[in-house]
Amino acid sequence: DAKTTQPNSMESNEEEPVHLPCNHSTISGTDYIHWYRQLPSQGPEYVIHGLTSNVNNRMASLAIAEDRKSSTLILHRATLRDAAVYYCILRDTSGTYKYIFGTGTRLKVLA
Amino acid sequence: DTGVSQDPRHKITKRGQNVTFRCDPISEHNRLYWYRQTLGQGPEFLTYFQNEAQLEKSRLLSDRFSAERPKGSFSTLEIQRTEQGDSAMYLCASSRLTGGGGYTFGSGTRLTVV
Repeated sequence: DAKTTQPNSMESNEEEPVHLPCNHSTISGTDYIHWYRQLPSQGPEYVIHGLTSNVNNRMASLAIAEDRKSSTLILHRATLRDAAVYYCILRDTSGTYKYIFGTGTRLKVLA
Repeated sequence: DTGVSQDPRHKITKRGQNVTFRCDPISEHNRLYWYRQTLGQGPEFLTYFQNEAQLEKSRLLSDRFSAERPKGSFSTLEIQRTEQGDSAMYLCASSRLTGGGGYTFGSGTRLTVV
């Protein structure tokens, strides 16, 4: 079973920030927090990952709670091309590194 | 680096036929994964290779499914005696052996069993 909980869907206006929440209360010390997004008819695309500290890259920012039981993916200025399903996943680095996906959050961006 | 390539992109087959899909991972990636995705669901793990060794198989991978990765390079996924329930997107991904970084997924092969 997926070890994360996300809202089924969210909406945002174009050029506004978007905060996508994820709960992972059963996270273990070796689990990294990974975010992927999937556009229609494409494979998932890596967005960002982190362990304990907040992370930034050209696509997004990842804010991790101090107790690591939740995290938030931040898109600073949503564009129409950001409309996708966003998956928050825990990756166990002590095993096969496989992902267990949930159903993700479908982000709709309004023009 | 052209990413992860999957072939074919689409496959329509009659129930009972055998099908084979190919995945070419990023050349320096040691790990290779197969996932299956049905409409409205997240991808489900099928199997994992580290180099040429198949180290884990999901219970979803019935005995009609077989995967290989000869010489630790490309991989094939074969489905024998296809059933309508096998209709799905089959995704391949690869990653480096070490580190907490992410996978690179291919665009998938969409299988329709009629």
